[in-house]
Amino acid sequence: QSALTQPASVSGSPGQSITISCTGTSSDVGGYNYVSWYQQHPGKAPKLMIYEVSNRPSGVSNRFSGSKSGNTASLTISGLQAEDEADYYCSSYTSSSTWVVFGGGTKLTVL
Amino acid sequence: QLQLQESGPGLVKPSETLSLTCTVSGGSISSSSYYWGWIRQPPGKGLEWIGSIYYSGSTYYNPSLKSRVTISVDTSKNQFSLKLSSVTAADTAVYYCARQWIQYMDVWGQGTTVTVSS
Repeated sequence: QSALTQPASVSGSPGQSITISCTGTSSDVGGYNYVSWYQQHPGKAPKLMIYEVSNRPSGVSNRFSGSKSGNTASLTISGLQAEDEADYYCSSYTSSSTWVVFGGGTKLTVL
Repeated sequence: QLQLQESGPGLVKPSETLSLTCTVSGGSISSSSYYWGWIRQPPGKGLEWIGSIYYSGSTYYNPSLKSRVTISVDTSKNQFSLKLSSVTAADTAVYYCARQWIQYMDVWGQGTTVTVSS
């Protein structure tokens, strides 16, 4: 069982917006602004999409945005495109001895 | 452009030690502020942080693996390494190395598949 809880799957049609949630506790997501999101296509390495809750690395489309409220972080993808179909993982710093925890991953299907 | 590349045996026997090396190119492993981490992904499953090391040698391990993990760094070769002892089939996974800043990993290697089997 993963430390952070994500929905197993979400779906949307091209052009729509979707949001993926990531729920933790006050010891991780809720306690620090160190939440990141990764995109992973089949057979590929994860790619950093969002860091420190809402920052985008250079080269990442502004269609991707992140936010946080309480113990839940969210990744929103607007203007869905076929190439957005992938697995998405959230991650957070944690004050426990684990230091870095991941969510179980969410499979995004673009209909 | 910074690149990371994992290398090591793709097949390890049960009870033996898994050894992998990550070679960093296009930048120095001694860069301040960055840690260098190992993450793994069992087949069909999610990501698991294994541990990280600073160029000075300070290490941080996932408590669930701590008793079996050793991460080391060789700044002269711009490499860092992972050793995981007493492996079982549950350690079969794709192993990634990555550059880490506090909590997030911004540059990843392509990953290497390690199978534990006799």
